[in-house]
Amino acid sequence: QSVLTQPPSVSGTPGQRVTISCSGSSFNSATNTVNWYQQLPGTAPKVLIYNNDQRPSGVPDRFSGSRSGTSASLAISGLQSEDEADFYCATWDHSLNGWVFGGGTKLTVL
Amino acid sequence: QLQLQESVPGLLRPSETLSLTCYVSGGSFSNFRDYWGWVRQPPGKGLEWIASVYSSGTTYYNPSLKSRVTISIDSSENHFSLRLNSVTAADTAVYYCARHGPRRGGPFDYWGQGTLVTVSS
Repeated sequence: QSVLTQPPSVSGTPGQRVTISCSGSSFNSATNTVNWYQQLPGTAPKVLIYNNDQRPSGVPDRFSGSRSGTSASLAISGLQSEDEADFYCATWDHSLNGWVFGGGTKLTVL
Repeated sequence: QLQLQESVPGLLRPSETLSLTCYVSGGSFSNFRDYWGWVRQPPGKGLEWIASVYSSGTTYYNPSLKSRVTISIDSSENHFSLRLNSVTAADTAVYYCARHGPRRGGPFDYWGQGTLVTVSS
C-alpha cells in the first residue's frame, strides 16, 4: 500500500498548465528527495524529475518539480497531446529503508 | 549507453519460485555508486518496488515482500538476479530491472523493457 498519495487522474487542454501532487508520510526526513516518472502506454517508466526539481538532459523545461515539507508537486506547462501518460512520484523512505512509489496519476489531454 | 535486459520466465504455477535475471551491458557494472533494483507493475496498476542491491552486495527489500524475496549481484558476469518464492496470482505483473544512484535515493535512470510474469494454475 502506497504511503505517497497522488490524485488518480488530472486533465487539461493543450497549452494549459496542470499540477500533480504527491504527499504522505514517506517524506519523513529532511534528506528525502522526490523523483517523478512518466510512463507512456506499454513502455517502461522514464525519469522526468529527480532530486525534487532537477531535470535530466532531454526533458523539456515545460516539466518542473518542487518539494515542501511532506508534499511534492509536478507541474506541466504548455500541455501537449504527447504528454498523455501515467505519472508516478517516488522517494527513498528512510524508515522503511526502501523505495516508495505513489499510486500514479493518469494525465488526460482533452 | 547502458542497457538492461530481463530474462523471460513466462508462465508459473502457484507455489513455484520466480527467478529473474537482469543482464547489463554498455557500461561498467562495477561502478560503486550504483544500485540495481527490481520494480513490478501488475496489469492496470501502479509501480511497486521489490528490492535493490548495491554494487558491493548490500541488499534492500520491500518489507511486504522481504520474506519471499532474494536479490543478488554477480559483477563478474554483469548481471543481477531476483528470486521470489511461493508465487500466487497476485504476483502476476510486468517485472522491470533498473539502475538507481548515485545514492540510495537517486533516480531509476536506466530501465529494462520489462518482462511479463504470469502466475496461473
